[in-house]
Amino acid sequence: AQRVTQPEKLLSVFKGAPVELKCNYSYSGSPELFWYVQYSRQRLQLLLRHISRESIKGFTADLNKGETSFHLKKPFAQEEDSAMYYCALSGRAGANNLFFGTGTRLTVIP
Amino acid sequence: EPEVTQTPSHQVTQMGQEVILRCVPISNHLYFYWYRQILGQKVEFLVSFYNNEISEKSEIFDDQFSVERPDGSNFTLKIRSTKLEDSAMYFCASDSGTANSYEQYFGPGTRLTVT
Repeated sequence: AQRVTQPEKLLSVFKGAPVELKCNYSYSGSPELFWYVQYSRQRLQLLLRHISRESIKGFTADLNKGETSFHLKKPFAQEEDSAMYYCALSGRAGANNLFFGTGTRLTVIP
Repeated sequence: EPEVTQTPSHQVTQMGQEVILRCVPISNHLYFYWYRQILGQKVEFLVSFYNNEISEKSEIFDDQFSVERPDGSNFTLKIRSTKLEDSAMYFCASDSGTANSYEQYFGPGTRLTVT
């Protein structure tokens, strides 16, 4: 069975400080990993996915299959990064059912 | 930019009543999903729908739930006889189903309150 774990419910950092949101997963096959973000009063939206290996809004995430982790990082946090962040896993192509972690609320302190 | 829309934004119903939650996915998308989020808990997958039939469902999606795409634009979730524990935020999502597109677009959600 698939499982996504985000150990921190809340994370506060100062503006300009590095931020890392942790995500660990368990899945028997080769999953696709994603980070979704929900800003205040907005809908869930994709931030980035591991297959595209891109940096979005300064965020990056590397899939570490050995540690089964997909931590989200940004070297210098900005106030506009304050949001709820969800790590998610999809088991296969086609019907990309997403399995979410419990989410981490990031607050960037000015 | 096209968006997934959901109506109503908030639905209050009495236990045992039937509710229908409506979604209009993005027009050229092929895969449709329902998720729910009970307050304080994680977003949970309910069901995926493709080519006018359910492609996958979770154990949450029992016989009291059904989905339909009645007219080629709306995608509905029906709960036949609501229970208190069905109170949650229900999200609809869609994606294009193309080979390299894994991005699901979410609607704003319908908050269902069962009293």
